[in-house]
Amino acid sequence: DAMVIQNPRYQVTQFGKPVTLSCSQTLNHNVMYWYQQKSSQAPKLLFHYYDKDFNNEADTPDNFQSRRPNTSFCFLDIRSPGLGDAAMYLCATSRDPLEFGAQHFGDGTRLSIL
Amino acid sequence: GEDVEQSLFLSVREGDSSVINCTYTDSSSTYLYWYKQEPGAGLQLLTYIFSNMDMKQDQRLTVLLNKKDKHLSLRIADTQTGDSAIYFCAEKGYGNKLVFGAGTILRVKS
Repeated sequence: DAMVIQNPRYQVTQFGKPVTLSCSQTLNHNVMYWYQQKSSQAPKLLFHYYDKDFNNEADTPDNFQSRRPNTSFCFLDIRSPGLGDAAMYLCATSRDPLEFGAQHFGDGTRLSIL
Repeated sequence: GEDVEQSLFLSVREGDSSVINCTYTDSSSTYLYWYKQEPGAGLQLLTYIFSNMDMKQDQRLTVLLNKKDKHLSLRIADTQTGDSAIYFCAEKGYGNKLVFGAGTILRVKS
């Protein structure tokens, strides 16, 4: 089935140790998004790619970066994770955001910082 | 700016109807969405409504849109224990973005 897959589901890293989260999609959607979701809060958009065009949210910390090597894959890199970066990270895709805009989400990666 | 507000918690008995409410601020929103999030999972698109519609029905789900009051509601008929989850209202904001509410926790008591 076409879907958005995030790996790993759970990631533990040490304070300050770089970590990479991955997302892949078989939907062939143009847009891929990364969200941060903390407990009992709405997902917070970090950035998104429209094809190869990278769009960073104004309040996304410099510590967070992303790569999209091809249509199917997108990575979230956290250069020096702090305790405040512990959260669920959600990847989503959408086909034609300028029209319909519905997003399809993966099941997320829960990141813990030791 | 864009803002979406929802009540935080709703508790209903199994078999009753649930109504989750949402208000939004961007009158130019073209689409409004309801997403469901089960524990430890991502968000699942439940349904959506285009801004020129007042109502949309999809099996047990009914979405009502009052554009004048910028009010959106989701009614779940015959609520089941499997409906227990967090429900997010979202509006299509500027560009490629969705603006989410904080989510309503629905608890279904058997």
